[in-house]
Amino acid sequence: AQSVAQPEDQVNVAEGNPLTVKCTYSVSGNPYLFWYVQYPNRGLQFLLKYITGDNLVKGSYGFEAEFNKSQTSFHLKKPSALVSDSALYFCAVRPLFSGGYNKLIFGAGTRLAVHP
Amino acid sequence: DGGITQSPKYLFRKEGQNVTLSCEQNLNHDAMYWYRQDPGQGLRLIYYSQIVNDFQKGDIAEGYSVSREKKESFPLTVTSAQKNPTAFYLCASSSRTSGDGYDTQYFGPGTRLTVL
Repeated sequence: AQSVAQPEDQVNVAEGNPLTVKCTYSVSGNPYLFWYVQYPNRGLQFLLKYITGDNLVKGSYGFEAEFNKSQTSFHLKKPSALVSDSALYFCAVRPLFSGGYNKLIFGAGTRLAVHP
Repeated sequence: DGGITQSPKYLFRKEGQNVTLSCEQNLNHDAMYWYRQDPGQGLRLIYYSQIVNDFQKGDIAEGYSVSREKKESFPLTVTSAQKNPTAFYLCASSSRTSGDGYDTQYFGPGTRLTVL
């Protein structure tokens, strides 16, 4: 079965330190990969995506993500965390062959808490 | 949250009632989607529509219905057959781009439905 795993329910980071939110996936072929962020009682905001090309993708708000094909991972990173980065982060995968529509498979989400 | 609006923000339903959640987009996107979000789980797809007057069931369509009479609108009805409707409902849309197929999904602000 196709799936996305975010192994950490919560990540705690001190402000100014680098952060990593992990994502691994299990889908056939070369999927498209996405990161979204959700603030309390809000919709999901698109951060970045990987389609093809350079394994390091840069996105909004200083976030970047590294695609690793051999490890089937797409970890989200930021060099210096801000308290305002505290939110729920979702990794999503679109399989290359998705039954004729824009199917996204979501991870369960990782809550990021950045402490002053 | 861009050009996707959802209303109402909060909705309370009595047992046995049908309720309709509104989703409107002004992004000229072809495809629209409804997701359900429960605590500790990723988003699950309820219904999707790729063009006007056409829609398909997602992974958890039982107890829900939709219509797509206009490109910009994709209302979701939660019927009394849905046994556990209390959740956060998110609408999304995406365009069709050449080569990629469908592009990034963008989300509305969500509607929180509570059954009394």
